[in-house]
Amino acid sequence: AQKITQTQPGMFVQEKEAVTLDCTYDTSDQSYGLFWYKQPSSGEMIFLIYQGSYDEQNATEGRYSLNFQKARKSANLVISASQLGDSAMYFCAMREGRDDKIIFGKGTRLHILP
Amino acid sequence: NAGVTQTPKFRILKIGQSMTLQCTQDMNHNYMYWYRQDPGMGLKLIYYSVGAGITDKGEVPNGYNVSRSTTEDFPLRLELAAPSQTSVYFCASSYHPTDPLKYGYTFGSGTRLTVV
Repeated sequence: AQKITQTQPGMFVQEKEAVTLDCTYDTSDQSYGLFWYKQPSSGEMIFLIYQGSYDEQNATEGRYSLNFQKARKSANLVISASQLGDSAMYFCAMREGRDDKIIFGKGTRLHILP
Repeated sequence: NAGVTQTPKFRILKIGQSMTLQCTQDMNHNYMYWYRQDPGMGLKLIYYSVGAGITDKGEVPNGYNVSRSTTEDFPLRLELAAPSQTSVYFCASSYHPTDPLKYGYTFGSGTRLTVV
C-alpha cells in the first residue's frame, strides 16, 4: 500500500486563484513529519513547507500553507494567489519517527494559466 | 554555502559501460541518499547511508553500488549500464539529530543520465 497518495496527476488553475494540492498519508506512528517540495521545469527540488504531527497549528510559509487534518491523515498544500512561476511538479513527502528516510508521493503537475 | 554538489550534470553512456556519479555535501549531514526519478514519476530510493561506513539498500538497488568512506562523500556506481537506468539521479542529505522529524532533505541539482 502506498504511504503517500497524491490523487491529482495534473491540475490547471487560472493565475491569481488559490489552489489546493491533495495529499493523504498512511502511518501507524504517532510521530511523523510531512513535507512539500516543488520541482520546476529546471529540475531542482525545492523545499516549501513542513508540518509536524504534534504541531497544533497549520504550517504557513508566505503564500504556502498546509491544511493538516490529522484524523483524516490529510496534508493538503494550499497556494494562495497563484503565479505563473508556480507552474511545477509538487511532491508530498513523509518522514516517520522510526525511519531514516523520507517517502515521496508520485507528484502533482500544476499548470498556472495566464 | 555549496550545500549538496552533484557531478556530472549530464552524461550519455553506452550499454555495458560503467560510471560513478559523485555527490558531496559540506553541511556535515550524517544522512545521505540517492534517488532516481523516471520521466513524469516520483522519486525512488536507490541507496542511503546513515553515516560513514554504513550503507543500506532502498527500493531499487539492483545495478548500483555505493560507498561512504567519509561524511562528505557518497558516490553512486553504475556497473554495466542498461537502458532501464536512463533517469535523473538526485543525491540528498539530511541532518539527523535526536529529533529528526522536522529535518527534510537538501537536494543536489541532479544528474541526467541517458544510456544508449
